[in-house]
Amino acid sequence: QVQLKESGPGLVQPSQTLSLTCTVSGFSLTSYNVHWVRQPPGKGLEWMGVIWSGGNTDYNSALKPRLSISRDTSKSQVFLTMNSLQTEDTGIYYCNRNGHSWGQGTLVTVSS
Amino acid sequence: NIVLTQSPATLSVTPGESVSLSCRASQSISTSIHWYQQKSNESPRLLIKYASQSISGIPSRFSGSGSGTDFTLSINRVESEDFSIYYCQQSYSSLLTFGSGTKLEIK
Repeated sequence: QVQLKESGPGLVQPSQTLSLTCTVSGFSLTSYNVHWVRQPPGKGLEWMGVIWSGGNTDYNSALKPRLSISRDTSKSQVFLTMNSLQTEDTGIYYCNRNGHSWGQGTLVTVSS
Repeated sequence: NIVLTQSPATLSVTPGESVSLSCRASQSISTSIHWYQQKSNESPRLLIKYASQSISGIPSRFSGSGSGTDFTLSINRVESEDFSIYYCQQSYSSLLTFGSGTKLEIK
């Protein structure tokens, strides 16, 4: 059974760095791509980036300067790191496997 | 970046009606468009992949069509559980993008 679960701090202070983990089960990270998508409160979906099955990454152009995605295949985990957080980065952060399977999402609030 | 424009922003319909939702791409993207449904407080759910390919477990009343720049998600005889927000997404570019969504609401 394919599962993805996001985890991380619920609250981050402005200008600080966000670190999220997507823990997957039921498939191998070397066979499937994992994407990160976020959603500000009451707004639409924003694609953030992807780590391809081969290990390469691509990022949303607007976020690229401050975003990094990596993985640990032995632990079946994908990591998102984003620095210089501002209040507009508040929202639900999702990981998904090629759009077919999604995690439940984790709420990140940027506030002092 | 490829921009996806969804219309209308909101669609008010009566249960039992059939509807069509539009997604237009800023450049030709062949059939690399996917449709998602998102209900309130839930994760998105993939409905249709590559413009018209069905997904296991998705009701047959959902169908997709189109190629190039113009795409349509059709719902045959809308049911109460279908009232939610629908997004299109393109994967033609390695930099994926979503449309802004169409909210399907009860008239």
